[in-house]
Amino acid sequence: EIVLTQSPTTMAASPGEKVTITCRASSSVSYMHWYQQKPGASPKPWIYDTSKLASGVPNRFSGSGSGTSYSLTISSMETEDTATYYCQQWSSNSFTFGSGTKLEIK
Amino acid sequence: EVQLQQSGPEVGRPGSSVKISCKASGYTFTDYVMNWVKQSPGQGLEWIGWIDPEYGSTDYAEKFKKKATLTADTSSSTAYIQLSSLTSEDTATYFCARDAGFDYWGQGVMVTVSS
Repeated sequence: EIVLTQSPTTMAASPGEKVTITCRASSSVSYMHWYQQKPGASPKPWIYDTSKLASGVPNRFSGSGSGTSYSLTISSMETEDTATYYCQQWSSNSFTFGSGTKLEIK
Repeated sequence: EVQLQQSGPEVGRPGSSVKISCKASGYTFTDYVMNWVKQSPGQGLEWIGWIDPEYGSTDYAEKFKKKATLTADTSSSTAYIQLSSLTSEDTATYFCARDAGFDYWGQGVMVTVSS
């Protein structure tokens, strides 16, 4: 099973600040997907196939990476971006999620 | 509009089983697999497995092979997960999510294991 390690676990950013969340895989994966979850709500698909934004996701978000290292970037933090973000991959007939990065506003 | 409507909260005694449902609407149920995901209190997401409603075929994460059983009723467009031999470790919220892309999610069902 491929293990996904996210960093940081928790972070706070000021409005307008650039934010980068990293996801490292224990073995190389072809794609990485990202989900946003707000308290008390179901997760939402956010970025799929490493760099494609899901419907309705603001274009201040971007995704990149390859092999074992992937990232989600927010070019300019906004209050509504406060949430927990999870990376996810599929390989060997199994999905695994990262442990999540809780992003707060300063 | 695609919707996944899950059943209500459950309380199960240690050692018992619970079965929760996920009723799909707004699309052809047999066209997409249905995933199940566990979220323990204050914790992250764990994939339990998926079912292909058209064929009834299933795939499970290794950790859940003896814990969860996935089924689907095409006549009612409803997917089910049964959790057996409940322990405190099974206290969690369980989500259904459509397709390999997890593009639509149910609202989640809280399962509490308590004597």
